[in-house]
Amino acid sequence: ELKVEQNPLFLSMQEGKNYTIYCNYSTTSDRLYWYRQDPGKSLESLFVLLSNGAVKQEGRLMASLDTKARLSTLHITAAVHDLSATYFCAVDGWDSNYQLIWGAGTKLIIKP
Amino acid sequence: NAGVTQTPKFQVLKTGQSMTLQCAQDMNHNSMYWYRQDPGMGLRLIYYSASEGTTDKGEVPNGYNVSRLNKREFSLRLESAAPSQTSVYFCASSAATWTRRSNQPQHFGDGTRLSIL
Repeated sequence: ELKVEQNPLFLSMQEGKNYTIYCNYSTTSDRLYWYRQDPGKSLESLFVLLSNGAVKQEGRLMASLDTKARLSTLHITAAVHDLSATYFCAVDGWDSNYQLIWGAGTKLIIKP
Repeated sequence: NAGVTQTPKFQVLKTGQSMTLQCAQDMNHNSMYWYRQDPGMGLRLIYYSASEGTTDKGEVPNGYNVSRLNKREFSLRLESAAPSQTSVYFCASSAATWTRRSNQPQHFGDGTRLSIL
């Protein structure tokens, strides 16, 4: 059974700081997705990582995938208040009929 | 572009009532999904449909039924609502099929906030 664990589940940080959110998964997968959700809103796709070593960057966010370690990271550089949101990773497992298995989410609060 | 449209946005039901949540996508996607999101938890898949005319159970299907009316529309029905079904329901779609995974992410609607008293 594919399981996805994110940590931390809650993160409060100051503007200007750097931090990393981790997404571990339990079985073979070569596809991982990062989404952002603002309070009371829908989920917005941030990154699609399709192979080992994939790295994607958008503004202050950078995501990477290590399929051998079964680990993805979402790195925040010089955080700003607008990045406050809940971030989810989701994994497409080879044996899951193309379903996505979701992490519990990391609630990120960035204080001015 | 509309993307994925869900109706209604909010609903309050009494225990035992029934209702149908509607979802439509205009991206010509093959696959559609219904999720529920509870506080502090990730998304849990209720049902999905990989093509018109097919549906399959996800992680938490009990108490729900679905209909893939055509390629655009995928509805979720609660036959006899229970307080445990209070949640936010999201519909999503993707270009994946039974035989081909998609390199694109799933696209989500705005959600239906459902309260059952």
